[in-house]
Amino acid sequence: QSVLTQPPSASETPGQRVTISCSGGSSNIANNYVSWYQQLPGTAPKILIYRNDQRPSGVPDRFSGSKSGISASLAISGLRSEDEATYYCAVWDDSLSGPLFGGGTMLTVL
Amino acid sequence: QVQLVQSGAEVRKPGASVTISCKVSGFTLSELFINWVRQAPGKGLEWMGGSDPEVDETTYTQKFQGRVTMTADTTTNTAYMALSTLRSDDTAVYYCATLSDGDFAFDSWGQGTLISVSS
Repeated sequence: QSVLTQPPSASETPGQRVTISCSGGSSNIANNYVSWYQQLPGTAPKILIYRNDQRPSGVPDRFSGSKSGISASLAISGLRSEDEATYYCAVWDDSLSGPLFGGGTMLTVL
Repeated sequence: QVQLVQSGAEVRKPGASVTISCKVSGFTLSELFINWVRQAPGKGLEWMGGSDPEVDETTYTQKFQGRVTMTADTTTNTAYMALSTLRSDDTAVYYCATLSDGDFAFDSWGQGTLISVSS
């Protein structure tokens, strides 16, 4: 069981905005950078957000990240059908001395 | 831009061992923090361990200690992950990925290698 908690699923209609949460603790999110990944079915994960709120080049600005305390969020605005995927948060954990992944949130665009 | 190309799918019987590879291009392997992440069918991502070139140290998560070995061949710019004493619950897709220094974000991923363990 992951110590980074994400809702297992989320859904929203095209054009709307959805937010996915990631809850951690003092050994991980509180003091380290959070990253977010998109995994389309049958493909490798792809980085969407690093350093809590930074987008790599090529990632649309519809994707945004934020962090506060021991929680982080990924927001996707202007939803499109191609955004249907599973989204994972990740963060370094000081107790583990390694990275942790959230359990993943499967997003359905209705 | 880093590119990671992994070796093909493997099938093994329980108790056997397997080694898969991750060929790096675009960067020198010794500059990269190569990590291995696995994903069981229908499940989430699980970090297995990684090699930090700055301190020349490899770290394995406790779950895989004693069964996994991560190595690198700098002459061929290829990383390897060996897993021994395979069990059916080791059936998964195994990814190599680079972890960026300081950000601790997985910024490049291989395409994945399916390891199937079945009698």
